Amino acid sequence: DADVTQTPRNRITKTGKRIMLECSQTKGHDRMYWYRQDPGLGLRLIYYSFDVKDINKGEISDGYSVSRQAQAKFSLSLESAIPNQTALYFCATSGQGGSGELFFGEGSRLTVL
Amino acid sequence: GENVEQHPSTLSVQEGDSAVIKCTYSDSASNYFPWYKQELGKGPQLIIDIRSNVGEKKDQRIAVTLNKTAKHFSLHITETQPEDSAVYFCAAVTGYSTLTFGKGTMLLVSP
Repeated sequence: DADVTQTPRNRITKTGKRIMLECSQTKGHDRMYWYRQDPGLGLRLIYYSFDVKDINKGEISDGYSVSRQAQAKFSLSLESAIPNQTALYFCATSGQGGSGELFFGEGSRLTVL
Repeated sequence: GENVEQHPSTLSVQEGDSAVIKCTYSDSASNYFPWYKQELGKGPQLIIDIRSNVGEKKDQRIAVTLNKTAKHFSLHITETQPEDSAVYFCAAVTGYSTLTFGKGTMLLVSP
């Protein structure tokens, strides 16, 4: 089984719908991240959490919210999806600070019509 | 904040040739520079990294060099193979901050 699991892997939705992407990990890491990948734009950080009681905004947090339900679970929500949120979303974990290796899930492809 | 520029955006080579991907960073305080490889349909995976107190690091066919004065670092892949075809991302970070990624390079190795 994968160490970092994302659900759903693919989702098509309509403008205005609420969407939740879920991430769970079995690596025992405290730090969890949500990234967005768009062609030609690389990986951009949406939100990150260094422990269960810690939530921080990343580079592109507008239009998104997160919930850290437990050490192993970190969810990303789009309260009212819009077409320019169509992208590939990655959850990642790390065991230490900025210079620690990131372990990524396999991604959740979201299409907003 | 940190800004990382990565070039080229696409790179095509013949099997057996070398490939070089270059990145520049803006924050002179950055001290850790990893490289991630993303295969089709998968998440990125760390392949090599270098810290600011080291100028070069090798791991079999891949190597990374760092020039702190010029604020640039490069990934070198020798004897490329078709399985090296992927998207490569460089990144930089300062201390306990979060990684800033480059925009990625799509490497295509033709047999």
